[in-house]
Amino acid sequence: NAGVTQTPKFRVLKTGQSMTLLCAQDMNHEYMYWYRQDPGMGLRLIHYSVGEGTTAKGEVPDGYNVSRLKKQNFLLGLESAAPSQTSVYFCASRETGTTIYEQYFGPGTRLTVT
Amino acid sequence: GIQVEQSPPDLILQEGANSTLRCNFSDSVNNLQWFHQNPWGQLINLFYIPSGTKQNGRLSATTVATERYSLLYISSSQTTDSGVYFCVQEIQGAQKLVFGQGTRLTINP
Repeated sequence: NAGVTQTPKFRVLKTGQSMTLLCAQDMNHEYMYWYRQDPGMGLRLIHYSVGEGTTAKGEVPDGYNVSRLKKQNFLLGLESAAPSQTSVYFCASRETGTTIYEQYFGPGTRLTVT
Repeated sequence: GIQVEQSPPDLILQEGANSTLRCNFSDSVNNLQWFHQNPWGQLINLFYIPSGTKQNGRLSATTVATERYSLLYISSSQTTDSGVYFCVQEIQGAQKLVFGQGTRLTINP
């Protein structure tokens, strides 16, 4: 049982490049989330999904797209990276009807856009 | 929207000291949670505490929902307690978490 995994762990992009971050969970959770954490701040919600095939916008969705084609995977895409997207990205998952105590976080992906 | 404010922003202590971290929130508490983010960035669940008091070893937490604040107590601090402590509230029914800015705790040997 690996929990929540994220790929890659680190990435450096040039402005304008695109990339996809992969989040995978093996706990059969319905809900999945993408957050970003900027220096000295807490996490802010980018997008989330309440089930396979569904996505919804969070607090800071601009510049990102997501897809949930399979229940276990939640992809975060940056179509044209900007330096303002330099951040640490965390994925999380949780089962329906559970509290936030039962939200499991991945280890994070550190992205730098130059 | 819900505001979550934490104090102090930074705290530097010697090993063995006790500390109290505070979280004030602007709306009725929903599913309040304390997390620890260690120096490697890993997020660790500490307490789910929408009200009352809980203890786990050297850590304890109290939430007074009627006065809209929560406290995290760390006794006999160890260097492994270093990191950032976040207070987090959930927007009920919206599947969304609101994080405070965190308290950065540094425990020196």
